[in-house]
Amino acid sequence: ETGVTQTPRHLVMGMTNKKSLKCEQHLGHNAMYWYKQSAKKPLELMFVYNFKEQTENNSVPSRFSPECPNSSHLFLHLHTLQPEDSALYLCASSPTPGLLYEQYFGPGTRLTVT
Amino acid sequence: QKEVEQNSGPLSVPEGAIASLNCTYSDRGSQSFFWYRQYSGKSPELIMSIYSNGDKEDGRFTAQLNKASQYVSLLIRDSQPSDSATYLCAAQERGNEKLTFGTGTRLTIIP
Repeated sequence: ETGVTQTPRHLVMGMTNKKSLKCEQHLGHNAMYWYKQSAKKPLELMFVYNFKEQTENNSVPSRFSPECPNSSHLFLHLHTLQPEDSALYLCASSPTPGLLYEQYFGPGTRLTVT
Repeated sequence: QKEVEQNSGPLSVPEGAIASLNCTYSDRGSQSFFWYRQYSGKSPELIMSIYSNGDKEDGRFTAQLNKASQYVSLLIRDSQPSDSATYLCAAQERGNEKLTFGTGTRLTIIP
C-alpha cells in the first residue's frame, strides 16, 4: 500500500460541502485512475489520466471533478454530492494505461455523504 | 453492456482443500483477465493474470481460461485461513484502458 497513498482515509460530508480527495504514487508510473466501489456493485472506473492528460471519463457526473497536476498526484474534487455517492473511492496507478497487470491500488477513501 | 459475472458467495472451504472461484464474461472482445484479492477494509491486490486459453499456475494459485465458453476460474490449492477474502474477476478488452470488474466472490476458509 505504501506505493500509492490516499488522503483522507475517511470523509463525512454534507450535500452542500466541497471537499477534495488526494492520491499520490511513488512508483514512477505514468497512468493514474479513480475508481468507485459501492456495496454489492462492481468496481467502477471513473477517470483515467495518462501523462497528466485525461484519456477516459466514464460518464461520471460533473459533481466529480478530477485534477492531475503531474504524473505523481491525482485529485478528485467533490461538490454537491448525493447520498448515493457514498462509497469507497480508490486511486490506482500503472506504468502506462494499457499495462493493467501492473496496476496498484491505494488504500482508498471511505466517503459518506449525509 | 459488457459484464463480468461472479457468484457473490459466501463460499466456505475447509482449510487444506481446493477453493474454486468462477467468473463468466459477456464481451467476446475481452483478451486479458485478472484476479484480484481484496481483504475486508483493504484495497484490491492483483494476484493472477491470464491471456491465453488453458491453465496458468503460480504457487498455490491456478488461473484457467476458456475463451470459447467465456469462462475464467481461479483455483486455490491447500487453502489457508489467510486466503479468506473477496476475490474480484476483471476483464480487459484488447487495446482498451478499462477493466470491467465482477462484484466479487467472498471466500471463507474454515480452520
